[in-house]
Amino acid sequence: SYELTQPPSVSVSPGQTARVTCSGDALPNQYVYWYQHKPGQAPQLIIHEDTRRPSGIPERFSGSSSGTTATLTISGVQADDEADYYCQSADSSATYVVFGGGTKLTVL
Amino acid sequence: EMELLESGGGLVPAGGSLRLSCTASTSAFTIYAMSWVRRAPGKGLEWLSLVSVSGGRTYYTDSVRDRFTISRDNSKNTLYLQIDSLRAEDTAVYYCSNRGSPNGLYGDASHIWGQGTSVIVSS
Repeated sequence: SYELTQPPSVSVSPGQTARVTCSGDALPNQYVYWYQHKPGQAPQLIIHEDTRRPSGIPERFSGSSSGTTATLTISGVQADDEADYYCQSADSSATYVVFGGGTKLTVL
Repeated sequence: EMELLESGGGLVPAGGSLRLSCTASTSAFTIYAMSWVRRAPGKGLEWLSLVSVSGGRTYYTDSVRDRFTISRDNSKNTLYLQIDSLRAEDTAVYYCSNRGSPNGLYGDASHIWGQGTSVIVSS
């Protein structure tokens, strides 16, 4: 089955830049979506179609994708950004959805 | 914007069955393909299943294909997930979400999520 690979954890100090990567063989042909998930809350879409930010999402969240790796960048990290971050994409048929394993962002 | 509310979770013995429901606040439900996603304790989000707008096409991740059944009733603005032969590893919070939208505003993203319903399987 298709898999997306993320680092289990990333730690940064407030004000620094955090980068979360997501690797998958089908990414050159499939969009990547990023979600933020905090305990007790519903997941929230923060990046769609590799680079686009939904309205209401702060500009410090950005996405990029090159080849088989997509990257979520959080600039000027704030304490409130501490959460689990998931990439999502689809297999080569564009039908079956897959999530990455998730990355826990810790703000030191 | 449409809101989603899951229900039907609870404490269930292993081997039992459960039907989860996801009720939408508006009839906009009828224009969205819908998914179920779960998060088990200490684990990440796991996509489980997808149903088309009409309900005629369904898709499952391999690990649940034989025990889970997704369906929808557009007249009731409700999505369902039937779970049979429950196992301890099915213990999780189950979320419903849309997949994509007709206007393609967010591509194939799930931009609408419920708050989740908790399923605990006792062994």
